[in-house]
Amino acid sequence: SAVISQKPSRDICQRGTSLTIQCQVDSQVTMMFWYRQQPGQSLTLIATANQGSEATYESGFVIDKFPISRPNLTFSTLTVSNMSPEDSSIYLCSVDHRGNFQETQYFGPGTRLLVL
Amino acid sequence: GQQVMQIPQYQHVQEGEDFTTYCNSSTTLSNIQWYKQRPGGHPVFLIQLVKSGEVKKQKRLTFQFGEAKKNSSLHITATQTTDVGTYFCAAFTGTASKLTFGTGTRLQVTL
Repeated sequence: SAVISQKPSRDICQRGTSLTIQCQVDSQVTMMFWYRQQPGQSLTLIATANQGSEATYESGFVIDKFPISRPNLTFSTLTVSNMSPEDSSIYLCSVDHRGNFQETQYFGPGTRLLVL
Repeated sequence: GQQVMQIPQYQHVQEGEDFTTYCNSSTTLSNIQWYKQRPGGHPVFLIQLVKSGEVKKQKRLTFQFGEAKKNSSLHITATQTTDVGTYFCAAFTGTASKLTFGTGTRLQVTL
């Protein structure tokens, strides 16, 4: 399994500002993923962060709003730019793990963001 | 795009009662995964099903993959308060290991 940490664990921000969320993994992984979970909702994939190349964004998410960095195989950041109250969500990073004939994802503890 | 729906959205049971959540996909799935998210927590992997008609058990939890590989179910026998949380099914879509999560079923268990 992989141990994943995220910083900050929670934050309250003013609209119009930006917040960068960090995700650290205890082992080298090829793919890291960023999800958003709005209150009471399911998880929605924002983008796939690949080391050495630009992130791949899902429909409805753009790089200008959610720039992502992946400087090495154990670390990634997600920035939520020019925030509005609609960005209030839990942001989760995850990593892909393959072994024992199955492919799973391990999730970080999440960053709980409230935008006022 | 692929949609994965779960029913019910919410269920409240008394401890000791059974619970089942159903997961339905609009397309045939290569495999299905189940995750549990405790209140205030993050999703934790429970199991993966791959074969048509596959049934797997984990103590009081029974997971089933439909014959047509378009639906799945999670059944909990004799629920306990520790079973409280939201249960998500999830399936890989396209390439690059992208997971599409179901809408989730929130389970509340009271004494």
